[in-house]
Amino acid sequence: NAGVTQTPKFQVLKTGQSMTLQCAQDMNHEYMSWYRQDPGMGLRLIHYSVGAGITDQGEVPNGYNVSRSTTEDFPLRLLSAAPSQTSVYFCASSRTGLAGGTSGGDTQYFGPGTRLTVL
Amino acid sequence: QQPVQSPQAVILREGEDAVINCSSSKALYSVHWYRQKHGEAPVFLMILLKGGEQKGHDKISASFNEKKQQSSLYLTASQLSYSGTYFCGTEKGNKLVFGAGTILRVKS
Repeated sequence: NAGVTQTPKFQVLKTGQSMTLQCAQDMNHEYMSWYRQDPGMGLRLIHYSVGAGITDQGEVPNGYNVSRSTTEDFPLRLLSAAPSQTSVYFCASSRTGLAGGTSGGDTQYFGPGTRLTVL
Repeated sequence: QQPVQSPQAVILREGEDAVINCSSSKALYSVHWYRQKHGEAPVFLMILLKGGEQKGHDKISASFNEKKQQSSLYLTASQLSYSGTYFCGTEKGNKLVFGAGTILRVKS
C-alpha cells in the first residue's frame, strides 16, 4: 500500500491564482481531512469528509473548497490564492470517522505534505 | 477550540523523563497523541478513550483524567529518537482539533 499520497510536494503561486492540491489513499478509508500547519499554531482543520459525497467544514475553511467523488480521492481547491494561505498542507485519512465518544475515533494516517508559498 | 498544551518546549538529556500536558475547556471523549519530526508528517502514538485505561507505546505512556478534562503524556528514559513536536488532539463531533504542540529536544 502506498498509504496517503499528496501532490505536488512544493508549489509557488501568485496572489489570485487558483490551484488544486491532490490527496489520495489506497486503504479504503472512509474519513479524510485536510489540515494546514503554520509555525506556533499546530495543525488546523480546513475541511473533512466522512465518506464519498459527504464533506463538511473544519475550523478554518474560508478560501478553500473540497469535494469527495470517490472513496480514494479528496482534492483541496484554493479559489483565489492569498499570501495568508502560505503554509504546509497535510491530508489525513482514517478507517472510520470520529464518533464523539462512542468508539473513540481511529488512527489518522497523514500524507507527506505540500509546502505552498503564495507571493 | 484548541486544547492547550504545556510546556511549549522542553530540552532534555538522554535518559531523563518528561511530561507533556493537554487540557481542554470542554468535556473530552477521547484524546489523541501524535509526534512529528522536523520536515515530516505527524505520526500516531496513541488514543485514550473516556473510561479507558492508561495506554502505552514502548517507553511512552499517557493518562486521561476525564473529570479534569486533561491528558498527560509521559516520556520515560528519553532517547534521541524522541525529539520532535508532540501534538494532542481532541474530538469535536467529527472534527479532530489539535493543540499548538510541544517541542521536545533530547540532547546526548
